[in-house]
Amino acid sequence: EPEVTQTPSHQVTQMGQEVILRCVPISNHLYFYWYRQILGQKVEFLVSFYNNEISEKSEIFDDQFSVERPDGSNFTLKIRSTKLEDSAMYFCASSEAGQLNTEAFFGQGTRLTVV
Amino acid sequence: AQKITQTQPGMFVQEKEAVTLDCTYDTSDPSYGLFWYKQPSSGEMIFLIYQGSYDQQNATEGRYSLNFQKARKSANLVISASQLGDSAMYFCAMREGYDDYKLSFGAGTTVTVRA
Repeated sequence: EPEVTQTPSHQVTQMGQEVILRCVPISNHLYFYWYRQILGQKVEFLVSFYNNEISEKSEIFDDQFSVERPDGSNFTLKIRSTKLEDSAMYFCASSEAGQLNTEAFFGQGTRLTVV
Repeated sequence: AQKITQTQPGMFVQEKEAVTLDCTYDTSDPSYGLFWYKQPSSGEMIFLIYQGSYDQQNATEGRYSLNFQKARKSANLVISASQLGDSAMYFCAMREGYDDYKLSFGAGTTVTVRA
């Protein structure tokens, strides 16, 4: 069964460093998303991406964040200068279409720890 | 205002019994979709069931059913014949309209199944 894959599964980084979280969405999917979940809290939307551009972004997704689809298969989230409060589980998701009834398939997540 | 409210932070259920997880939502959009996801301790997000705002019948998927009460804006998940593997966090989520692809999640309910 096709799945969304994320790498790495766990990343520890120093505060102020740049990190890139990588995702390979399901191959025929057109819509891509990043969500984050601070430990013990709810899942929060960061950004959606379609047709090689950002469709929507939340207030969390400030200038420190960027997304890219560099090669037609990978979908990356870059955090330019990490802060302690960026420590969270980051989920990539993809969906085949942008319709109401289209489920989003989530990757297994990348746990980012900023020290 | 919270779009999705899950008022039960944690629940215990005996193996083989049914459990109902509450979810209420808030939207002024007549078109929306409601989703339930399961998050086991390993962290991944697993899609369980979907209900559309125009669906006449309550959704069912195996042991999962959705008690959709549109007038009350509630979409409760019922898990029948609970199994030990059902112990996990459960999230209710909503997608609104045709131009907004993101999912808004509730705070989640932790279910612990007792043998």
